[in-house]
Amino acid sequence: SQQGEEDPQALSIQEGENATMNCSYKTSINNLQWYRQNSGRGLVHLILIRSNEREKHSGRLRVTLDTSKKSSSLLITASRAADTASYFCAPSNTGGFKTIFGAGTRLFVKA
Amino acid sequence: SQTIHQWPATLVQPVGSPLSLECTVEGTSNPNLYWYRQAAGRGLQLLFYSVGIGQISSEVPQNLSASRPQDRQFILSSKKLLLSDSGFYLCASTPAGRTDTQYFGPGTRLTVL
Repeated sequence: SQQGEEDPQALSIQEGENATMNCSYKTSINNLQWYRQNSGRGLVHLILIRSNEREKHSGRLRVTLDTSKKSSSLLITASRAADTASYFCAPSNTGGFKTIFGAGTRLFVKA
Repeated sequence: SQTIHQWPATLVQPVGSPLSLECTVEGTSNPNLYWYRQAAGRGLQLLFYSVGIGQISSEVPQNLSASRPQDRQFILSSKKLLLSDSGFYLCASTPAGRTDTQYFGPGTRLTVL
């Protein structure tokens, strides 16, 4: 198991702008996941990218993975007020069944 | 996909009182189960995880305990609550043998006064 560290800690943007969040980790992985948490709710799985993938899209989400730099980024395009939430990355490696979450990035989208 | 049920949704308890939070899972068998605690505005702290009935691993020393009496039931308990036990408790599940997607319950907001 290992922990991802999200950056920045907080991000405030206008509706319609793009939001980029970054994640760094320390050891090798076989996949990395991103989750969203609305205030006072449980986490919701957004997207998973495997170690042999460099980029993945899902609707307005784009995730990149650079295993040489041990980093990932989550891009939300054309953000909406409803995207206001905390976003967590979760790197996962073979043989581990624990996921350690970092402190997350708190995104605030102003209408 | 899996559905995770947690109850109660909110709980206010006095210091020194006991605690029992329950989590049940639908839609899978023999899942890995997890209890997390989240302080206000912070990340998730892994408290316990279980890979099978009666198998509990503790991540953080504390006055909390966990039990898994049935395959899809996970219980978080305390004999005597402390003020520091306040927080948002989340139960999560992954399919057996997998570590990719975690499914989370709606959480329990615990306030210890």
